[in-house]
Amino acid sequence: AQSVTQLDSQVPVFEEAPVELRCNYSSSVSVYLFWYVQYPNQGLQLLLKYLSGSTLVKGINGFEAEFNKSQTSFHLRKPSVHISDTAEYFCAVSDPNTGGFKTIFGAGTRLFVKA
Amino acid sequence: DAGVTQSPTHLIKTRGQQVTLRCSPKSGHDTVSWYQQALGQGPQFIFQYYEEEERQRGNFPDRFSGHQFPNYSSELNVNALLLGDSALYLCASSFIGGTPEELFFGSGTQLSVL
Repeated sequence: AQSVTQLDSQVPVFEEAPVELRCNYSSSVSVYLFWYVQYPNQGLQLLLKYLSGSTLVKGINGFEAEFNKSQTSFHLRKPSVHISDTAEYFCAVSDPNTGGFKTIFGAGTRLFVKA
Repeated sequence: DAGVTQSPTHLIKTRGQQVTLRCSPKSGHDTVSWYQQALGQGPQFIFQYYEEEERQRGNFPDRFSGHQFPNYSSELNVNALLLGDSALYLCASSFIGGTPEELFFGSGTQLSVL
């Protein structure tokens, strides 16, 4: 069964600094990978997704992620964060061989941007 | 274009009671997935409904059941509530013919079991 490990439970960072949120997934022949963001008292919103093709994926709000098959990683990056980026970030995986159903989420990383 | 709507937003129940949560998917979507998100954790997959049938199920007991209606809306029922069922319950909708598993989430129902 697929699983996702988010290596940091909390990441504090100063405004305008770069940030990387780390994600590793259990090995599979092929995977779909996602990053979602959750603001307080809200549901999850898709930031970006990797389905196939280019390993560098760009998403909304200036975020990007790189798929590394050999490392089974899908780390999320932003070159310069804003206060408004403070939120919970979830890495997720699904198995395309099952039609992409049953998306599995990591435990989340809380990004806290300080002024 | 209405997104995913869930009701109620908050609910307080006591142990042993039963609860029903409701979800209306985003316009044009035909698939509904339910997730349980305990405090400080990621969402855990409960089950998914398509064409009024349960397609896949996570590791949840039979106390958790669901239904999908012809208009694609869905209900999650939990019987014999336990304290450990306290969580945020999220509904997510998607379209079978669309981008694989691009889920659109509602804001959730916060269930407290006392």
